[in-house]
Amino acid sequence: EVQLVESGGGLVQPGGSLRLSCAASGFTFSNYAMNWVRQAPGKGLEWVSAISGSGGSTFYADSVKGRFTISRDNSENTLYLQMNSLRVEETAVYYCAKSKREWQMFDPWGQGTLVTVSS
Amino acid sequence: EIVMTQSPVTLSVSPGERVILSCRASQSVSSNLAWYQQKPGQPPRLLIYDASTRATGIPATFSGSGSGTEFTLTISSLQSEDFAVYYCQQYNNWPRTFGQGTKVEIK
Repeated sequence: EVQLVESGGGLVQPGGSLRLSCAASGFTFSNYAMNWVRQAPGKGLEWVSAISGSGGSTFYADSVKGRFTISRDNSENTLYLQMNSLRVEETAVYYCAKSKREWQMFDPWGQGTLVTVSS
Repeated sequence: EIVMTQSPVTLSVSPGERVILSCRASQSVSSNLAWYQQKPGQPPRLLIYDASTRATGIPATFSGSGSGTEFTLTISSLQSEDFAVYYCQQYNNWPRTFGQGTKVEIK
């Protein structure tokens, strides 16, 4: 069974940094692209970033480009999201999601980790 | 960026009714469209991909159709467990984008 478990969320001040992790199991991690998707409280879904199976290719939403960095450790089956210069409006649940095929649809998703940006 | 627009925003229906949700893309996404279901406190679950292919374990009461810019998700007979928020998502272009969601609530 595929499992994705996020961690690293918490309270951070505006302008601060946080690193999220997503531990994967139940599949050959290095064979699949992975994604981060966030959801602000009571709002819809926003794709944040994606990384190829090898880690050699990455994509970012314009809203986070230059501030967030996606990476992965295939030896540890772990996905990361380094978030710098965080803004209040980036308070959200951050989900990691496996790409079902190539860079395409997301299946499954982890349970998410809450990031609160507040002073 | 491709903008995905879902309608209606909220749908009030009775159990057993047929439900049709719409999703429109601001430019063609071919058939590169997925639908997700999200219940309160849970992550989204993939229902449909490639516009009309049901994901593993999804009952036949769910069906998707469309291509280009117009898509629909049909629930043939709404069950109590189907009350949720539904999102469409395109994966034809970067950045990947979602619709704002349609909430299906009990009438």
